[in-house]
Order: sequence, then structure tokens, then C-alpha cells
Amino acid sequence: DIQMTQSPSSLSASLGDRITITCQASQDIRNYLNWYQQKPGKAPKLLIYGASSLETGVPSRFSGSGSGTDFSFTISSLQPEDVATYYCQHYGDLPWTFGQGTKVESK
Amino acid sequence: EVQLVESGGGLVQPGGSLRLSCAASGFTFTSHWMTWVRQAPGKGLEWVANIKPDGSEAYYVDSVKGRLTMSRDNAKNSLYLQMNSLRAEDTAVYYCARINGIWRFDYWGQGTLVTVSS
Repeated sequence: DIQMTQSPSSLSASLGDRITITCQASQDIRNYLNWYQQKPGKAPKLLIYGASSLETGVPSRFSGSGSGTDFSFTISSLQPEDVATYYCQHYGDLPWTFGQGTKVESK
Repeated sequence: EVQLVESGGGLVQPGGSLRLSCAASGFTFTSHWMTWVRQAPGKGLEWVANIKPDGSEAYYVDSVKGRLTMSRDNAKNSLYLQMNSLRAEDTAVYYCARINGIWRFDYWGQGTLVTVSS
């Protein structure tokens, strides 16, 4: 199975800060990676697909990059509504797996 | 508007069975793969199973193979997860989601909680 390792597991940042989350795959997954946002008690929401494509309706302060085994997710200017947990997920060979999540809090 | 509404969760004893349902609306159900994803309390997300648009094949994570069965009724725009031989580690919120384009889960239901406990 392909393992997805996210870091950090949590972070605290000031509003307006730029934050970056990384996700490393245990083997080459090309650009087969999605990013989701989950707020407490809610279903996940798709933000980025294909490593770098922004889902329709998602603000442009969210972005993703990478290919192969190393990926990153960035919020260019943290907003209050961005407080959430973020997950990467690969869609290479089954089983599809998620990273363990990164909890983003505001200072 | 795309909507996915899960139902059928509840408390069940270890070894018991439960059937989850997911009612889909607002899109052409027969054009989409569908998936179940679960989340144990306080834990991360785990992909459980996928099913083809015509329901002819489903794929599972190893930990549920032989115990959980995903199916769909395209005439009723409904998705199902038959859960047998349940274990404590199956305790989770179960989400159904639509798969769109290149394998992205673009719409999710609100989730239904399954608790396996004596």
C-alpha cells in the first residue's frame, strides 16, 4: 500500500500568514493527489485535485504543487474560516489512502 | 444541487450487521463512480470502497474485504453498504461521496455514525 506522510501534524499561525503543508508518498504517484479541508463535525471538502488544480468555487489563496513523491499545499494568507484540518489523499494504485491530517489553528 | 444523504447508522453489537444507505440527487447518478470513506472518532479519514457506475464491480480496502459489501440501485439513485461481522474497529462516521473526473471526491454526504459495542 502507498503510505502518505503529512507534516506538520498541527500548526498555529497568525491571520494573514502564509502556511505550507507537505505530503510525501511512499512511492511515485505522479500527480495523483487531492487535498481536502475538514471543519469539526462536517464532511470533508475538496480543495485541490491533480496535485495543483483548484476545485471550482475554492478561493485562489489555496494552492497545491508537486509530483512524484513530494507535494505541498499552501494557503497564501490565512483567514479565520480556514481553521480546519487538511488531508492529502492519493489516487494511484488501490487502496487509496489519506495522510494523517494537519490541524491548522490561528494564534 | 447535488445532495448525498446517508442513513442507517446506529449502535450494533460486535459480530452484528447493519446496512447503510446513501440517497443521491441533483446529478446523473448512473454516470459516476461512488465511494464510502470512514472516520473513526477523533481520527483521520480512511477510504473504504468504490463502485463502478453500473454496479458491476466494487473495490475494497483489505480490512473490510469479505465483511462489507458496497452496492447500488441506479433505478433508485441509491448507494448501499452492507456491513456484516462488525468489529469494534469499524466504529466510525461513514461518508458516501461522489467521484468526479479524475478520481476526486467532489461531493460528500453529512455522514452517519456506526458504533460497534456491547
